[in-house]
Amino acid sequence: QKEVEQDPGPLSVPEGAIVSLNCTYSNSAFQYFMWYRQYSRKGPELLMYTYSSGNKEDGRFTAQVDKSSKYISLFIRDSQPSDSATYLCAPKGSNFNKFYFGSGTKLNVKP
Amino acid sequence: DADVTQTPRNRITKTGKRIMLECSQTKGHDRMYWYRQDPGLGLRLIYYSFDVKDINKGEISDGYSVSRQAQAKFSLSLESAIPNQTALYFCATSDSTAGANVLTFGAGSRLTVL
Repeated sequence: QKEVEQDPGPLSVPEGAIVSLNCTYSNSAFQYFMWYRQYSRKGPELLMYTYSSGNKEDGRFTAQVDKSSKYISLFIRDSQPSDSATYLCAPKGSNFNKFYFGSGTKLNVKP
Repeated sequence: DADVTQTPRNRITKTGKRIMLECSQTKGHDRMYWYRQDPGLGLRLIYYSFDVKDINKGEISDGYSVSRQAQAKFSLSLESAIPNQTALYFCATSDSTAGANVLTFGAGSRLTVL
């Protein structure tokens, strides 16, 4: 079983739609839950992260973690064409030195 | 200038050749990493280094070696390149003193082995 599972997409939505991106993980010791955004031909960049369970909001983006079901979500409100990218989830433990990356979901927001 | 700089950005080489990918950073981070990215497989860790004297293998280190020449420099070598090492390679850094230890990535080095 992979440490992190993520639907690769692609996911295509119209501009203004609400987008839901999701990951599942297997290791209950994970404490930090990162979301990275990767534009074509660029390196991943940190979008946001949460610690432990709960929600975190940053502008149009909301990260949500449900540790009981080992489920990670990223919601994008009022999606824009500039949000078109690949989104990677990356959980890690507080004492672990290694990050585990999902394979990434490619999102296309159509004008 | 970018915080994490990788050179070369693109390289085409032949099977059996020795290749070095270089990474330098200006963030002052102590930890450095090399990942490779393949379609459908995500990012996989090749090697990581917590300081100049500390080098560790990642999940796919076979066929690769690294050198941490200074805190700011971390190079990846393919001693004898083979076609299945064709991939996008990323260097990353992190700060061990920051709780989340967030990774900062370079722009990537695209390697093609013919």
